Amino acid sequence: SQTIHQWPATLVQPVGSPLSLECTVEGTSNPNLYWYRQAAGRGLQLLFYSVGIGQISSEVPQNLSASRPQDRQFILSSKKLLLSDSGFYLCAVGGATEAFFGQGTRLTVV
Amino acid sequence: AQSVSQHNHHVILSEAASLELGCNYSYGGTVNLFWYVQYPGQHLQLLLKYFSGDPLVKGIKGFEAEFIKSKFSFNLRKPSVQWSDTAEYFCAVNVWGNNRLAFGKGNQVVVIP
Repeated sequence: SQTIHQWPATLVQPVGSPLSLECTVEGTSNPNLYWYRQAAGRGLQLLFYSVGIGQISSEVPQNLSASRPQDRQFILSSKKLLLSDSGFYLCAVGGATEAFFGQGTRLTVV
Repeated sequence: AQSVSQHNHHVILSEAASLELGCNYSYGGTVNLFWYVQYPGQHLQLLLKYFSGDPLVKGIKGFEAEFIKSKFSFNLRKPSVQWSDTAEYFCAVNVWGNNRLAFGKGNQVVVIP
Protein backbone atom coordinates (compact mmCIF):
# COMPACT_ATOMS: atom_id res chain seq x y z
CA SER A 1 0.00 0.00 0.00
CA GLN A 2 1.05 3.59 -0.52
CA THR A 3 2.68 5.60 2.22
CA ILE A 4 3.09 9.36 2.10
CA HIS A 5 5.73 11.11 4.14
CA GLN A 6 5.28 14.81 4.59
CA TRP A 7 7.39 17.03 6.80
CA PRO A 8 7.63 19.01 8.88
CA ALA A 9 4.30 18.72 10.66
CA THR A 10 4.40 22.32 11.84
CA LEU A 11 6.51 25.25 10.76
CA VAL A 12 6.74 28.86 11.84
CA GLN A 13 8.59 31.12 9.44
CA PRO A 14 9.14 34.88 9.29
CA VAL A 15 7.83 36.94 6.42
CA GLY A 16 10.35 37.09 3.60
CA SER A 17 12.05 33.82 4.48
CA PRO A 18 12.26 30.90 2.03
CA LEU A 19 10.16 27.75 2.27
CA SER A 20 10.71 24.16 1.34
CA LEU A 21 8.15 21.46 2.14
CA GLU A 22 8.92 17.95 1.07
CA CYS A 23 6.66 15.04 0.26
CA THR A 24 7.87 11.56 -0.55
CA VAL A 25 5.85 8.53 -1.49
CA GLU A 26 6.48 4.82 -1.00
CA GLY A 27 4.73 1.79 -2.40
CA THR A 28 3.98 3.07 -5.87
CA SER A 29 5.79 4.15 -9.00
CA ASN A 30 5.12 7.01 -11.42
CA PRO A 31 2.33 8.40 -9.25
CA ASN A 32 0.33 11.56 -9.81
CA LEU A 33 1.28 13.94 -7.02
CA TYR A 34 -0.62 16.93 -5.71
CA TRP A 35 -0.16 19.88 -3.37
CA TYR A 36 -3.27 21.31 -1.73
CA ARG A 37 -3.82 24.11 0.74
CA GLN A 38 -6.65 23.63 3.20
CA ALA A 39 -8.25 26.61 4.89
CA ALA A 40 -11.40 26.80 6.97
CA GLY A 41 -14.39 27.56 4.79
CA ARG A 42 -12.33 27.28 1.63
CA GLY A 43 -11.94 23.53 1.41
CA LEU A 44 -8.98 22.08 -0.42
CA GLN A 45 -7.45 24.42 -2.94
CA LEU A 46 -5.41 22.63 -5.58
CA LEU A 47 -2.05 24.38 -5.91
CA PHE A 48 0.06 22.12 -8.12
CA TYR A 49 -0.02 18.65 -9.58
CA SER A 50 2.53 16.53 -11.35
CA VAL A 51 2.23 13.48 -13.58
CA GLY A 52 5.95 12.80 -13.83
CA ILE A 53 9.47 13.96 -13.09
CA GLY A 54 9.90 17.61 -13.99
CA GLN A 55 6.26 17.97 -15.03
CA ILE A 56 4.39 20.56 -12.97
CA SER A 57 0.94 22.02 -13.55
CA SER A 58 0.14 25.18 -11.64
CA GLU A 59 -3.43 25.91 -10.71
CA VAL A 60 -3.33 29.44 -9.37
CA PRO A 61 -0.82 32.26 -9.65
CA GLN A 62 0.81 32.70 -6.29
CA ASN A 63 3.95 33.08 -4.32
CA LEU A 64 4.68 29.37 -4.38
CA SER A 65 6.35 26.95 -6.78
CA ALA A 66 6.66 23.19 -6.97
CA SER A 67 9.25 20.79 -8.27
CA ARG A 68 9.49 17.05 -8.80
CA PRO A 69 13.15 16.11 -8.92
CA GLN A 70 12.50 12.39 -8.49
CA ASP A 71 9.64 10.06 -9.29
CA ARG A 72 8.36 9.89 -5.74
CA GLN A 73 9.42 13.28 -4.43
CA PHE A 74 7.37 16.45 -4.63
CA ILE A 75 8.58 19.74 -3.19
CA LEU A 76 6.68 22.94 -2.46
CA SER A 77 8.81 26.06 -2.28
CA SER A 78 8.80 29.79 -1.93
CA LYS A 79 11.63 32.28 -2.23
CA LYS A 80 9.98 34.83 0.06
CA LEU A 81 7.01 33.94 2.24
CA LEU A 82 4.06 36.27 2.66
CA LEU A 83 1.67 36.39 5.59
CA SER A 84 -1.05 35.09 3.27
CA ASP A 85 0.95 31.89 2.71
CA SER A 86 -0.04 30.70 6.18
CA GLY A 87 -2.19 27.61 6.04
CA PHE A 88 -2.35 23.85 6.12
CA TYR A 89 -0.57 22.19 3.21
CA LEU A 90 -1.40 18.68 2.11
CA CYS A 91 0.44 16.40 -0.25
CA ALA A 92 -1.58 13.74 -2.03
CA VAL A 93 -0.90 10.83 -4.37
CA GLY A 94 -3.26 9.20 -6.82
CA GLY A 95 -6.03 11.27 -8.31
CA ALA A 96 -8.02 9.54 -10.98
CA THR A 97 -9.07 6.52 -8.94
CA GLU A 98 -8.43 7.48 -5.33
CA ALA A 99 -6.25 10.04 -3.64
CA PHE A 100 -4.25 9.35 -0.50
CA PHE A 101 -3.18 12.21 1.70
CA GLY A 102 -0.19 12.94 3.86
CA GLN A 103 -0.45 14.23 7.39
CA GLY A 104 -0.03 17.82 6.28
CA THR A 105 2.13 20.75 7.34
CA ARG A 106 0.74 23.61 9.38
CA LEU A 107 2.64 26.68 8.17
CA THR A 108 2.44 29.92 10.12
CA VAL A 109 4.11 32.96 8.64
CA VAL A 110 4.83 35.62 11.24
CA ALA B 1 -14.87 28.25 -14.90
CA GLN B 2 -14.74 24.60 -13.96
CA SER B 3 -15.68 24.14 -10.32
CA VAL B 4 -17.06 21.88 -7.63
CA SER B 5 -19.80 23.43 -5.50
CA GLN B 6 -20.88 22.40 -2.06
CA HIS B 7 -23.51 24.49 -0.30
CA ASN B 8 -24.50 24.86 3.34
CA HIS B 9 -20.98 24.81 4.65
CA HIS B 10 -22.13 24.31 8.26
CA VAL B 11 -24.72 21.65 9.02
CA ILE B 12 -25.92 20.89 12.55
CA LEU B 13 -28.32 18.04 13.21
CA SER B 14 -29.36 15.62 15.91
CA GLU B 15 -28.56 11.94 16.09
CA ALA B 16 -30.90 9.76 14.02
CA ALA B 17 -31.70 12.63 11.68
CA SER B 18 -31.16 12.17 7.96
CA LEU B 19 -28.29 13.89 6.21
CA GLU B 20 -28.00 15.04 2.63
CA LEU B 21 -25.09 17.06 1.32
CA GLY B 22 -25.22 18.50 -2.15
CA CYS B 23 -22.38 18.48 -4.68
CA ASN B 24 -22.57 20.03 -8.12
CA TYR B 25 -19.81 20.28 -10.68
CA SER B 26 -19.42 22.30 -13.83
CA TYR B 27 -17.07 20.06 -15.84
CA GLY B 28 -17.96 18.71 -19.23
CA GLY B 29 -17.20 15.18 -20.27
CA THR B 30 -17.03 11.99 -18.31
CA VAL B 31 -16.10 12.35 -14.68
CA ASN B 32 -14.99 10.33 -11.69
CA LEU B 33 -16.71 11.50 -8.52
CA PHE B 34 -15.67 11.15 -4.91
CA TRP B 35 -16.70 11.98 -1.40
CA TYR B 36 -13.97 12.27 1.21
CA VAL B 37 -14.37 12.66 4.95
CA GLN B 38 -12.08 14.22 7.51
CA TYR B 39 -12.80 13.33 11.12
CA PRO B 40 -11.42 15.71 13.76
CA GLY B 41 -7.67 15.36 13.97
CA GLN B 42 -7.46 12.73 11.25
CA HIS B 43 -6.41 12.42 7.62
CA LEU B 44 -8.78 12.84 4.75
CA GLN B 45 -10.12 9.43 3.78
CA LEU B 46 -12.26 8.14 0.97
CA LEU B 47 -15.94 7.65 1.79
CA LEU B 48 -17.15 6.47 -1.61
CA LYS B 49 -16.53 6.91 -5.32
CA TYR B 50 -18.30 6.66 -8.64
CA PHE B 51 -16.64 5.79 -11.92
CA SER B 52 -19.38 4.19 -14.01
CA GLY B 53 -22.33 1.82 -13.78
CA ASP B 54 -25.04 2.03 -11.14
CA PRO B 55 -25.41 5.73 -10.31
CA LEU B 56 -26.32 4.90 -6.72
CA VAL B 57 -23.09 4.20 -4.88
CA LYS B 58 -22.80 2.78 -1.40
CA GLY B 59 -19.81 3.61 0.75
CA ILE B 60 -18.53 2.98 4.21
CA LYS B 61 -20.43 3.69 7.44
CA GLY B 62 -23.88 3.65 5.84
CA PHE B 63 -23.26 6.51 3.42
CA GLU B 64 -24.48 6.50 -0.15
CA ALA B 65 -24.37 8.94 -3.04
CA GLU B 66 -26.34 9.30 -6.22
CA PHE B 67 -24.90 10.51 -9.51
CA ILE B 68 -27.45 12.41 -11.59
CA LYS B 69 -25.75 13.20 -14.87
CA SER B 70 -28.43 15.58 -16.11
CA LYS B 71 -28.05 17.68 -12.99
CA PHE B 72 -24.25 17.42 -12.77
CA SER B 73 -24.76 16.36 -9.18
CA PHE B 74 -23.39 13.76 -6.78
CA ASN B 75 -25.25 14.20 -3.51
CA LEU B 76 -24.25 12.35 -0.37
CA ARG B 77 -26.85 10.84 1.96
CA LYS B 78 -27.15 8.96 5.19
CA PRO B 79 -30.59 8.00 6.52
CA SER B 80 -29.71 8.16 10.20
CA VAL B 81 -26.59 9.93 11.46
CA GLN B 82 -24.61 9.20 14.59
CA TRP B 83 -22.52 11.46 16.79
CA SER B 84 -19.44 9.82 15.27
CA ASP B 85 -20.38 11.23 11.85
CA THR B 86 -19.27 14.66 13.04
CA ALA B 87 -16.66 15.57 10.44
CA GLU B 88 -15.93 17.64 7.39
CA TYR B 89 -17.09 16.19 4.08
CA PHE B 90 -15.55 17.02 0.72
CA CYS B 91 -16.79 16.30 -2.77
CA ALA B 92 -14.13 15.85 -5.46
CA VAL B 93 -14.17 15.52 -9.24
CA ASN B 94 -11.71 14.15 -11.74
CA VAL B 95 -12.33 14.42 -15.46
CA TRP B 96 -11.40 11.34 -17.48
CA GLY B 97 -8.14 11.81 -19.28
CA ASN B 98 -7.19 14.70 -17.04
CA ASN B 99 -5.07 14.28 -13.96
CA ARG B 100 -6.52 17.24 -12.14
CA LEU B 101 -8.44 16.37 -8.96
CA ALA B 102 -10.53 19.27 -7.71
CA PHE B 103 -12.35 19.52 -4.39
CA GLY B 104 -15.31 21.51 -3.19
CA LYS B 105 -15.15 23.79 -0.17
CA GLY B 106 -16.47 21.14 2.16
CA ASN B 107 -19.38 20.72 4.55
CA GLN B 108 -18.72 20.90 8.26
CA VAL B 109 -21.24 18.53 9.83
CA VAL B 110 -21.89 18.51 13.57
CA VAL B 111 -24.11 15.80 15.00
CA ILE B 112 -25.54 16.56 18.42
CA PRO B 113 -26.06 13.54 20.68
